[in-house]
Amino acid sequence: DSGVTQTPKHLITATGQRVTLRCSPRSGDLSVYWYQQSLDQGLQFLIQYYNGEERAKGNILERFSAQQFPDLHSELNLSSLELGDSALYFCASSVGGQGAEKLFFGSGTQLSVL
Amino acid sequence: TQLLEQSPQFLSIQEGENLTVYCNSSSVFSSLQWYRQEPGEGPVLLVTVVTGGEVKKLKRLTFQFGDARKDSSLHITAAQPGDTGLYLCAGGSSNTGKLIFGQGTTLQVKP
Repeated sequence: DSGVTQTPKHLITATGQRVTLRCSPRSGDLSVYWYQQSLDQGLQFLIQYYNGEERAKGNILERFSAQQFPDLHSELNLSSLELGDSALYFCASSVGGQGAEKLFFGSGTQLSVL
Repeated sequence: TQLLEQSPQFLSIQEGENLTVYCNSSSVFSSLQWYRQEPGEGPVLLVTVVTGGEVKKLKRLTFQFGDARKDSSLHITAAQPGDTGLYLCAGGSSNTGKLIFGQGTTLQVKP
């Protein structure tokens, strides 16, 4: 158990809909990262938050947004969903704000857009 | 754009065989991490190497960071079915502060 909690584990929705993925980092970790994993693209970095503020941005679409709350949990919002958004979404956390440090990953949310 | 290429993409071997997975880039990284991911789970960190030429051993797994810090390898001796999984290398950049992942190597070890 990595200590990172992601909910829900599975999500099935239709095109055009909006969903919210939730992540609770390990106790004491200030950074939260969101990654998207698909068979053809591998593990793609989306966005990082450190202590409530956006720290780094990766290949995140404009239809996607995220935030980190004062209690350090984070939410990833995906809107106007398309079939191609179907993927595994991982949240990871780390102690500090440097993105190259050791990451602890959650078990992921499997999103299926039908 | 920093890229990490892993090879091979897929590897299916018999229990007891040795194997090597490679992770290559044209970019220099400040650190190189190796993760293993099992189905239905997130990646789990195996090792971090930070010095060019560094070699680290974790039981039957040997990790090496290239002298120029552009490449790395993972060697598994006498593979076991429990080694089955997706192996990911990830390069850390002190410039961007980001961790870049390779596409992964899927390893299947048959009993």
